[in-house]
This record gives sequence, structure tokens and C-alpha cells, in this order.
Amino acid sequence: DAGITQSPRHKVTETGTPVTLRCHQTENHRYMYWYRQDPGHGLRLIHYSYGVKDTDKGEVSDGYSVSRSKTEDFLLTLESATSSQTSVYFCATALVGEEQYFGPGTRLTVT
Amino acid sequence: DAKTTQPPSMDCAEGRAANLPCNHSTISGNEYVYWYRQIHSQGPQYIIHGLKNNETNEMASLIITEDRKSSTLILPHATLRDTAVYYCIVRVGTGNQFYFGTGTSLTVIP
Repeated sequence: DAGITQSPRHKVTETGTPVTLRCHQTENHRYMYWYRQDPGHGLRLIHYSYGVKDTDKGEVSDGYSVSRSKTEDFLLTLESATSSQTSVYFCATALVGEEQYFGPGTRLTVT
Repeated sequence: DAKTTQPPSMDCAEGRAANLPCNHSTISGNEYVYWYRQIHSQGPQYIIHGLKNNETNEMASLIITEDRKSSTLILPHATLRDTAVYYCIVRVGTGNQFYFGTGTSLTVIP
């Protein structure tokens, strides 16, 4: 598997607080993705990046922002966390036109 | 919304072939079919992908119908460790965007 780490792995936060999740890769993959996974919904794409400073929205982007200032890091920010954002968040990376490799996930609970 | 349809669950006897179907009737000519699986709460794991020809690797075989409207993932000799949720995905867009859907929960029975 590609060298993908996510931090933190678990986080509990209160409604209204900002939260940043980090995805770090060592494979020099151009594409990076953030998904969330909730019961009954499978994985849903939040945002993705196709290069440094190049990002775009996925199907569930409301309430989330991302940044990619260098190839290896892709940050997902919840500006003001809500209970509906309680979920498991997965980061993935890919070369152009190739399969995606997934990180171990971050379990976020918003109370 | 996901562009694929899969049965929600299936069982398979250990040692037998597991055949997991997927419908993707709206697939475009240049869209690939990908299969992933997810064991417990781990990150999804890539299995195989194809465009229109059948494909085989060390994990599985992928059979795509001639009209490309459906496909079947075959695990030739299922083991207990193959118990997982299997996702059939059509790759869309220019950013390798994947829409996962809810997948098929495969249970391999001893």
C-alpha cells in the first residue's frame, strides 16, 4: 500500500469548534481525496486535489474546505463542526488514471 | 449518486467461487469499472479494474459484458478473510473521481 497516514486517528470535539484533519503521503501521487463514510451511505467524496493548490468539490462539500500547499499534504478543515459531520473520514491518493490508495481513516465525533 | 447497482448482501461457502454482480447501465464508452473492498472499518482496498476486456490478477477476475452494462467480480476460492464489503465503481470525470455507493456485503461461511 502507498504510504498514507492520517492524523489524528480519533478526535472528539464540540459543536462550533474548528477542526483540521491531515493526510500525508510519501508516494508523490498527484491526486488526493477526502471521503466521509456514514452508515447506509458508503463512501462519499468531499473534495479532491489534482495538484498543489488545485482543488475541486465533490458531492458533499458543504461545510468543508481543503488546502494543498505541497504534494505530500492534503488538509481537510471543518470551519465550525456540526453533529452531522460526525463520521469516519478517509483520505486517498492516486497517480493520474490509476487506482486510489486509501489511508487508515479518522474517526471524528462532534458532540 | 452512484452509477452502479449491487445486491446489498451475499453469502459464499469457503473454498467456493464468489461471484459478485454489478449493474452499470449508464456507463460511457471511456469509463472504467473498478472494484474495491473494505474489511471492517479499514480503508478500502483496490482489487481490480477494467474497460471492456476481462481482467485477472492475483486477487480476482473481472468479467465485463460485451455491452458493458454489467460486470461480475469473481473470487475463485473464497476464504474467511474475503468477508468484506465489495464496491463496484465507475470512474468518472478528469480527476479520477469515484462514486462508491453502498456495495455488497459478502460473508464467507465456513
